[in-house]
Amino acid sequence: RKEVEQDPGPFNVPEGATVAFNCTYSNSASQSFFWYRQDCRKEPKLLMSVYSSGNEDGRFTAQLNRASQYISLLIRDSKLSDSATYLCVVNPMNSGYSTLTFGKGTMLLVSP
Amino acid sequence: DADVTQTPRNRITKTGKRIMLECSQTKGHDRMYWYRQDPGLGLRLIYYSFDVKDINKGEISDGYSVSRQAQAKFSLSLESAIPNQTALYFCATSDDGTSGTDTQYFGPGTRLTVL
Repeated sequence: RKEVEQDPGPFNVPEGATVAFNCTYSNSASQSFFWYRQDCRKEPKLLMSVYSSGNEDGRFTAQLNRASQYISLLIRDSKLSDSATYLCVVNPMNSGYSTLTFGKGTMLLVSP
Repeated sequence: DADVTQTPRNRITKTGKRIMLECSQTKGHDRMYWYRQDPGLGLRLIYYSFDVKDINKGEISDGYSVSRQAQAKFSLSLESAIPNQTALYFCATSDDGTSGTDTQYFGPGTRLTVL
């Protein structure tokens, strides 16, 4: 089983739609979780951290399910500017002693 | 000015040549990383350094070497470039994790083509 798995997509949605991505991780000891966004040919940038209690930042909501080892990202009221690849990122151990593992990304295309 | 910079941004070279990619950061972070990204394979860690005297191999270190010249500088070398090292290379930095976050900040990337 790959460490971090994501559906590569693309997810094609119209403006205003709600879209959700899931990600699964294999290491049950993983401590921290993130969603990064990457625009075409650009560097990845942190979108949001994912907390056990779930967290929301504007139109974006992240959830963590430790029992099932998956992370989700919900985007409401999609904008054209949301078109990008979304990377699920996991720190497999205590953050002081390891590095981040990146999923391959899920591509989102928002159309007018 | 960008917090993490990479030079060059684009490079075309020939098989067998030695290439150095440079990364500098003004974020004051101790930790620095080198990744490569290939279509369909995602980001893969090449080397990382948690401080100036620390160097660690990542997932795919063969064919690469690094140098941590200072806290702010981390260079990646391809001793003898080969075509399958054609990729987009990213440098990243993070703090030491004691603040409760291990967010990584990426440079703009170097697109390397080996002919």
